[in-house]
Amino acid sequence: IVMTQSPATLSVSPGERATLSCRASQSVNSNLAWYQHKPGQGPRLLIYSASTRATDIPARFSGSGSGTEFTLTISSLQSEDFAVYFCHQYKNWPRTFGPGTKVDIK
Amino acid sequence: EVQLLESGGGLVQPGGSLRLSCAASGFTFSSLSMYWVRQAPGKGLEWVSGITGDGGTYYGDSVKGRFTISRDNSKNMLFLQMNSLRAEDTALYYCARLVGVSNFDHWGQGTLVTVSS
Repeated sequence: IVMTQSPATLSVSPGERATLSCRASQSVNSNLAWYQHKPGQGPRLLIYSASTRATDIPARFSGSGSGTEFTLTISSLQSEDFAVYFCHQYKNWPRTFGPGTKVDIK
Repeated sequence: EVQLLESGGGLVQPGGSLRLSCAASGFTFSSLSMYWVRQAPGKGLEWVSGITGDGGTYYGDSVKGRFTISRDNSKNMLFLQMNSLRAEDTALYYCARLVGVSNFDHWGQGTLVTVSS
């Protein structure tokens, strides 16, 4: 399953809303996760099962969608949220990640 | 606190070998599946290899027959023996803990493998 993400880069001002998209080449049902990745760190699990926040993830992060179209929304960007975000399908083998969306400061 | 610390990366010539290690702490290591996930320069993340708590293994097609994953539950250690290395194996290799169906809830900081002559 090929995962695509858009846009490749999203420029947002602190306090604004960010909407990131992820598309699967075939249905993954709700077997979709989102990760945040900052330089020099391992990725951080944000969302699994398309819409369930992982432990200790702030409520400003939310996920939606099913099948082939998914969205990660960050309701009010904080300085620590500027990073790369990957989606990840785990319905079929091999598990695959999207190429990422970089969220940077406008 | 869960911690994963990778080591063993470096520069190696094509056809050479390296052994990566991951030291785990802060959780019951033997009960969870552990994986190696890599990110090549400018590319996305890729599942490389994984191992269940009791030794069942997974290998991505790109590394089958060349890489071997193992673990030592008595020492809370995960290993990846990489043989016949190719330029396309150049990447940052992460050790990650698998929970639930297929989610990685903790990752190390990565160890860099560079395959070049």
